[in-house]
Amino acid sequence: AQSVTQLGSHVSVSEGALVLLRCNYSSSVPPYLFWYVQYPNQGLQLLLKYTTGATLVKGINGFEAEFKKSETSFHLTKPSAHMSDAAEYFCAVSNQAGTALIFGKGTTLSVSS
Amino acid sequence: DTAVSQTPKYLVTQMGNDKSIKCEQNLGHDTMYWYKQDSKKFLKIMFSYNNKELIINETVPNRFSPKSPDKAHLNLHINSLELGDSAVYFCASSQDGQGHQPQHFGDGTRLSIL
Repeated sequence: AQSVTQLGSHVSVSEGALVLLRCNYSSSVPPYLFWYVQYPNQGLQLLLKYTTGATLVKGINGFEAEFKKSETSFHLTKPSAHMSDAAEYFCAVSNQAGTALIFGKGTTLSVSS
Repeated sequence: DTAVSQTPKYLVTQMGNDKSIKCEQNLGHDTMYWYKQDSKKFLKIMFSYNNKELIINETVPNRFSPKSPDKAHLNLHINSLELGDSAVYFCASSQDGQGHQPQHFGDGTRLSIL
């Protein structure tokens, strides 16, 4: 069965520092992977997705993620954090039938000035 | 234009009541979903509909019943509300139900049971 583990429920960085949010997945089929961001009292917004092809995926707001099959990882990075990046981040994988997303427990990103 | 819209945004009611949450998408998508986000922010699928047909129904109490009058709408009706139903409910849609297209989410309905 598919599952997602996000290491670190809370990550704190300084403005301008590298952001690294970790995601490991388990999948019995080639995975479709997604990162979403949730701002307070809002819905989830897609940051980026990996389905097939290039393993380095670029998303919105300067984020990118690299699919590493050998490590079953899909970590999210941003070279330089901005105050506006403070939010909840969710990694997700499509279930085997492709009928739903299975989410990790989320990582809260805090950015200090 | 809002792609996936849910109403109401907030819903406060008492135990035992029946309530409905409405969802509409204007993206022309074939598949719609309901997710529940608990107090620890964990998101879990409840229902998935493809072209008005139920394709997934996770272990959800039968007090919860989804209704899809047409491809653009998926409403959630909840009978005999319980304290444990307090959560944020998100509606989402995707172009297909194959899993490789991203899902687009509404802003959520925060349900509070008194």
